[in-house]
Amino acid sequence: NAGVTQTPKFQVLKTGQSMTLQCAQDMNHEYMSWYRQDPGMGLRLIHYSVGAGITDQGEVPNGYNVSRSTTEDFPLRLLSAAPSQTSVYFCASSFDSRRGYTFGSGTRLTVV
Amino acid sequence: QQQVKQSPQSLIVQKGGIPIINCAYENTAFDYFPWYQQFPGKGPALLIAIRPDVSEKKEGRFTISFNKSAKQFSLHIMDSQPGDSATYFCAASKMGGSEKLVFGKGTKLTVNP
Repeated sequence: NAGVTQTPKFQVLKTGQSMTLQCAQDMNHEYMSWYRQDPGMGLRLIHYSVGAGITDQGEVPNGYNVSRSTTEDFPLRLLSAAPSQTSVYFCASSFDSRRGYTFGSGTRLTVV
Repeated sequence: QQQVKQSPQSLIVQKGGIPIINCAYENTAFDYFPWYQQFPGKGPALLIAIRPDVSEKKEGRFTISFNKSAKQFSLHIMDSQPGDSATYFCAASKMGGSEKLVFGKGTKLTVNP
């Protein structure tokens, strides 16, 4: 099925470890974003991209890196995991703003 | 600085009631206002969206009302059903440029049978 695919669905990391959250879409969307969702905080934008090779910071970018080498993939890297990065992470993509964003099913990350 | 303020945080209604969720924004450059619905364990899904050139938009039982002068917009759910129980997020973005989408903090709606 077409859509946004996120892997893994669940992950437990130790403080200081690094990892990459994967995001892929097969809808040929130019716009892709990463959000984190925390209780009572809504969805906060981490990084976003308006096309291959173009990325920019969102509201809460510290501790995260992204790259966009292809239209389909937009991985999110945690450089040195901290307990404050325990959250649910959502990747989303859009053809343009008139059609809204399609979200993946999320990655639940726990940093101990 | 929160760009989109959403209220209430939680809402409980009886089946058939009309829950209303409100959002306010500051940035007058915003020109796209979607609402997303999220069920537990799932990602948000686009429900309905409005642009500032109209004051109201209906899709099925869901209606967005938009007040440009007050910089406010709201979601009404007519004849609410237990299956509407979910968290609802308002959001805003502006056309052109980066088209970042910023979200409110969400409203947890419970519709009792």
